[in-house]
Amino acid sequence: DAGVTQSPTHLIKTRGQHVTLRCSPISGHKSVSWYQQVLGQGPQFIFQYYEKEERGRGNFPDRFSARQFPNYSSELNVNALLLGDSALYLCASSLVTGNQPQHFGDGTRLSIL
Amino acid sequence: DAKTTQPNSMESNEEEPVHLPCNHSTISGTDYIHWYRQLPSQGPEYVIHGLTSNVNNRMASLAIAEDRKSSTLILHRATLRDAAVYYCIPNTPAGANNLFFGTGTRLTVIP
Repeated sequence: DAGVTQSPTHLIKTRGQHVTLRCSPISGHKSVSWYQQVLGQGPQFIFQYYEKEERGRGNFPDRFSARQFPNYSSELNVNALLLGDSALYLCASSLVTGNQPQHFGDGTRLSIL
Repeated sequence: DAKTTQPNSMESNEEEPVHLPCNHSTISGTDYIHWYRQLPSQGPEYVIHGLTSNVNNRMASLAIAEDRKSSTLILHRATLRDAAVYYCIPNTPAGANNLFFGTGTRLTVIP
């Protein structure tokens, strides 16, 4: 079975632009979470979606938004990009919400120039 | 959220057991203890989780102290592929899947 897939794998943007990152969960998984990992640090939680509803939000500005589609895939949108948004963006899926092991993709590496 | 303390780094010889400690003294009674690892250039990978009893799976064993203020991840025979950053994460089961990663322990396996 395919794991969590993310696209694109790498992306270069300039300050002020916006970006859309995409995630396809493992088949049958209904929960998707997004994380940001800055170089040298552990991942930080951004959002969780379950059954197309937001179930959790981390301490990120309103420039960050996300949504989940009827097929449970998800998009993360970031507006007005800043240099500090340069990071690895990780998507994770699980069968349901709550205390479930999460399965991570290998991320999208976003570089802001 | 419960705070965790892990050593920044550890070393192990190949084919020897590795014991990775984690202190989580502020853990609540309903928090499960999850362990994930992250190999270079990859996303985190689920290893194991438990509540009170010791747990075993094909990857590792998890030993949880009786007072639940600490736990130890045990890799029975370290291989080069086990070189990774290991994260200990107390996780509330109350509905959300938001894992709070700390800085973890970087495990180096020496051939």
